[in-house]
Amino acid sequence: DQQVKQNSPSLSVQEGRISILNCDYTNSMFDYFLWYKKYPAEGPTFLISISSIKDKNEDGRFTVFLNKSAKHLSLHIVPSQPGDSAVYFCAASDGSSNTGKLIFGQGTTLQVKP
Amino acid sequence: EAGVVQSPRYKIIEKKQPVAFWCNPISGHNTLYWYRQNLGQGPELLIRYENEEAVDDSQLPKDRFSAERLKGVDSTLKIQPAELGDSAVYLCASSPPTGEETQYFGPGTRLLVL
Repeated sequence: DQQVKQNSPSLSVQEGRISILNCDYTNSMFDYFLWYKKYPAEGPTFLISISSIKDKNEDGRFTVFLNKSAKHLSLHIVPSQPGDSAVYFCAASDGSSNTGKLIFGQGTTLQVKP
Repeated sequence: EAGVVQSPRYKIIEKKQPVAFWCNPISGHNTLYWYRQNLGQGPELLIRYENEEAVDDSQLPKDRFSAERLKGVDSTLKIQPAELGDSAVYLCASSPPTGEETQYFGPGTRLLVL
């Protein structure tokens, strides 16, 4: 079963506008969430994370929101830039399991048009 | 600081042939992970090492896959014999001993089995 889901395979936005990428999860034991960005022929690059004790974390143009009751997180990019065009993966881990295992979503391809 | 290094970047082999991937993690990172990423999917964990010890290999197909991390630094992942379904990107990641849950990925090895 897919414990972490990114239901939108792709998203296209205009430069300067907001990009909102969504992620849903099913395992209530997940307590740490991350977003990774991936360019073609490169490995995933860590972008931003959030602990389950918070509902928002901000880093420059990137903000992650966590809604635990809905088991939903989102990544906001404001303003979007053409260089943000990439595949974005959300990932989750269960810290209590002590496995360090990240469960990834399928990814969302973001295209930012100039 | 140098990132996670992987080689080769690309590998094309015929089915039933053996293949090996090499990973050098970020200096000081004692935890090392091998992931497999199929086309259009997120990475999936194969094996996790804490120093020299494989602490989670539950997702590693042990009939044909093997891994080692001698001296707790570099790691090698081997497939013998390779099958058509093994075509994927093999990613290595590492994380520091501070309990930080963020994992840092290498560029991956893209394997094509013909």
